[in-house]
Amino acid sequence: QSALTQPPSASGSPGQSVTISCTGSSSDVGAYNYVSWYQQHPGKAPKLIIYEVSKRPSGVPDRFSGSKSGNTASLTVSGLQAEDEADYYCSSYAGNLVVFGGGTKLTVL
Amino acid sequence: QVQLVESGGGVVQPGRSLRLSCAASGFIFSSYGLHWVRQAPGKGLEWVAVIRFDGTNEYYADSVKGRFTISRDNSKNTMDLQMNSLRAEDTGVYYCARDAYSGHPMDYWGQGTLVTVSS
Repeated sequence: QSALTQPPSASGSPGQSVTISCTGSSSDVGAYNYVSWYQQHPGKAPKLIIYEVSKRPSGVPDRFSGSKSGNTASLTVSGLQAEDEADYYCSSYAGNLVVFGGGTKLTVL
Repeated sequence: QVQLVESGGGVVQPGRSLRLSCAASGFIFSSYGLHWVRQAPGKGLEWVAVIRFDGTNEYYADSVKGRFTISRDNSKNTMDLQMNSLRAEDTGVYYCARDAYSGHPMDYWGQGTLVTVSS
């Protein structure tokens, strides 16, 4: 159960787009289309924003999108807004288990 | 509305035990799997365990296997995490989360309860 690899930080100016990567292995990200992404603001519980690689739960803006290629998944935030500044975590199903990424702190400049 | 409320956190000495609980409301409890996820101070999320909707199967992270036990009572809409042989590295906020869809995405989370393992 090795953690997925995410860049520790990412940034962009309001209105720009930013992409966060999440690299796993052929046992997790590469094996299943079950990658999720979570947004966490300081002192708050995580919030699901993407599931099954690219699906958005009801109420999540379409500025958030997900994709996957091989063992790497990506989260793209388009039209950055100040409230998007938060920590973002990817996770993957790994055969009855779940593995998270180390998290990426997104800064809106 | 869906609510998950954790309780039972506190300060405990290394090697001792602690039992966390998660009380659920606002949904058909017996239809959903449930997870425990923890977060050490200033660190990222770490998945701990999951239990199926009917309690027939449970799975654990290697870091807690053999020390932690997840359980649920569908008649009381509660889920527990029994934590034994606690270590300093078990310190953190423990969240319960509802399992949704295939592949274990977690669509609702509680506010968390803090566990501190220290002598």
